[in-house]
Amino acid sequence: DTAVSQTPKYLVTQMGNDKSIKCEQNLGHDTMYWYKQDSKKFLKIMFSYNNKELIINETVPNRFSPKSPDKAHLNLHINSLELGDSAVYFCASSQDSQWSGADTQYFGPGTRLTVL
Amino acid sequence: AQSVAQPEDQVNVAEGNPLTVKCTYSVSGNPYLFWYVQYPNRGLQFLLKYITGDNLVKGSYGFEAEFNKSQTSFHLKKPSALVSDSALYFCAVRDISSNYQLIWGAGTKLIIKP
Repeated sequence: DTAVSQTPKYLVTQMGNDKSIKCEQNLGHDTMYWYKQDSKKFLKIMFSYNNKELIINETVPNRFSPKSPDKAHLNLHINSLELGDSAVYFCASSQDSQWSGADTQYFGPGTRLTVL
Repeated sequence: AQSVAQPEDQVNVAEGNPLTVKCTYSVSGNPYLFWYVQYPNRGLQFLLKYITGDNLVKGSYGFEAEFNKSQTSFHLKKPSALVSDSALYFCAVRDISSNYQLIWGAGTKLIIKP
């Protein structure tokens, strides 16, 4: 069974479109994250949710909006896509609150977004 | 400010030789240190972590890392490299001053040659 899953794996779209990426974890974790990995492989935290509540919201354009219908799901909706949004987006989850420090984050396989 | 440095963009090692991937960090509190591996077109996989206790931490796939507080380092090691170890390796650190957000290194590409 896949612990953290994301759909779709690949997403190719035109500038200006709106798209969503879905994430689900079956680990029973309380905290979920979205990361962006750019073409140079740098990882950047975008959002973090704990029990459906937003706890990290880094400097991310308002066009990006996370939604957590329940603690097992954290979806990412992107409006008005731009060329610079092309990247690999990773979802992750961890057992407890991010405040515990020692928790391991488990990552999904990633969604490669290409904006044309 | 909290930071993680992986000073080598790429490390080349012959198969069967020992390997080291370097990581140094800067935090104001007690660090929690992590190593992850990313194989091509895959997500990040957890390898090992240091929280407290023994400075030598053993992890998956025969990897280990040594926490050195005086040198603020957490180098990843393996006694005998395999070609299948070729991947991108990330070091990350958390501490209370970063509100326990993971601070990531830039990654080191490890190439194991047969």
